[in-house]
Amino acid sequence: GDSVTQMEGPVTLSEEAFLTINCTYTATGYPSLFWYVQYPGEGLQLLLKATKADDKGSNKGFEATYRKETTSFHLEKGSVQVSDSAVYFCALIPRMDSSYKLIFGSGTRLLVRP
Amino acid sequence: DVKVTQSSRYLVKRTGEKVFLECVQDMDHENMFWYRQDPGLGLRLIYFSYDVKMKEKGDIPEGYSVSREKKERFSLILESASTNQTSMYLCASSPWPETSGGAGQETQYFGPGTRLLVL
Repeated sequence: GDSVTQMEGPVTLSEEAFLTINCTYTATGYPSLFWYVQYPGEGLQLLLKATKADDKGSNKGFEATYRKETTSFHLEKGSVQVSDSAVYFCALIPRMDSSYKLIFGSGTRLLVRP
Repeated sequence: DVKVTQSSRYLVKRTGEKVFLECVQDMDHENMFWYRQDPGLGLRLIYFSYDVKMKEKGDIPEGYSVSREKKERFSLILESASTNQTSMYLCASSPWPETSGGAGQETQYFGPGTRLLVL
């Protein structure tokens, strides 16, 4: 079935370091891909999304490119801040599925130290 | 701004109690969802609803039921709470694809979550 695999955390970085959080997926057809972020004590919020191959989603300095050939959607940021500390979830909606259910990865916790 | 609210941030219940978790959204969204979030497992879908009085099972519906009597409100019911239902419960809503750029582009909007402890 459809699934999302993320790198395990926690990922610990110093402020201004480069961030990569890996995400790969398995899906039939061409899913839409998402990154959601959960700040401490809050619900999830959409960070960025991409709906077709080679699309790049971007927001708040974060970027991810939909790579169909490697079935990946890695999240990157050039210079992280302490305020980026959160849990990041990669997710997909299978295009073949009419119910629009999000399928989530297990989440990656990011800790940014000053 | 879309707002999804959940009735409680924290709940403590005893085994065997009937538990109601309420979710309300103010954006007239058709779809509403209930997830549970557990460490290392991400979010898992319990139930969802695409219209009033309509519901579909998600991946882990056992031990839960839902109610959607009004478009803006989606309730999750634990008929007889058990300790393995201790978890964070998240509600979400989303519009039909036609109003958000086409199928597959829907953004889900989440509430702040209810942390439930069953003793």
